[in-house]
Amino acid sequence: DQQVKQNSPSLSVQEGRISILNCDYTNSMFDYFLWYKKYPAEGPTFLISISSIKDKNEDGRFTVFLNKSAKHLSLHIVPSQPGDSAVYFCAASLTGTASKLTFGTGTRLQVTL
Amino acid sequence: NAGVTQTPKFQVLKTGQSMTLQCAQDMNHNSMYWYRQDPGMGLRLIYYSASEGTTDKGEVPNGYNVSRLNKREFSLRLESAAPSQTSVYFCASSTGGYLTTTDTQYFGPGTRLTVL
Repeated sequence: DQQVKQNSPSLSVQEGRISILNCDYTNSMFDYFLWYKKYPAEGPTFLISISSIKDKNEDGRFTVFLNKSAKHLSLHIVPSQPGDSAVYFCAASLTGTASKLTFGTGTRLQVTL
Repeated sequence: NAGVTQTPKFQVLKTGQSMTLQCAQDMNHNSMYWYRQDPGMGLRLIYYSASEGTTDKGEVPNGYNVSRLNKREFSLRLESAAPSQTSVYFCASSTGGYLTTTDTQYFGPGTRLTVL
């Protein structure tokens, strides 16, 4: 049972345009959500997070939106750059479980020139 | 400040062999984790240690054991390797503790294990 889903395995976006990566979850008890970026042969790198008490969090070019009623979050990258090409994982956790993360399957973003 | 380090980077084992994957962090974090990543799948939690002296099973613990050697180090042991354990293994750490709402995990570079 996949509790965190990323239904788009891949996404291609032109440099300078907006990249939107989506993530859905089924467990309404999740209260903290994170996005990680992963380059080949490297470990995941923390990108941005959002608590369930918020609906938006921004950090430079990266913004995460959370819609709790729809159990949906999205990551917006504006403007997209070639260095953003990577696999992006969303993850969710529950308070009181020592931050055990449940990951989605990832979306491969390709930013083209 | 190296963050989270893992050794070895690559390993090839024969079925039935044993090995230990090492992980260390220098961020004074309380919690440490072991994940595996398989093709087309997200990372899945094998074991975690909320604090020094404690360990708990994650989603896929069968075939593995762990040791929280001290606050810095958390090792993962395969007692009798099987081809199904071919995977990329990631260690992570976080400030941690129970009842932590906004705890962020930081990952090591991974160990690529092949079991023949």
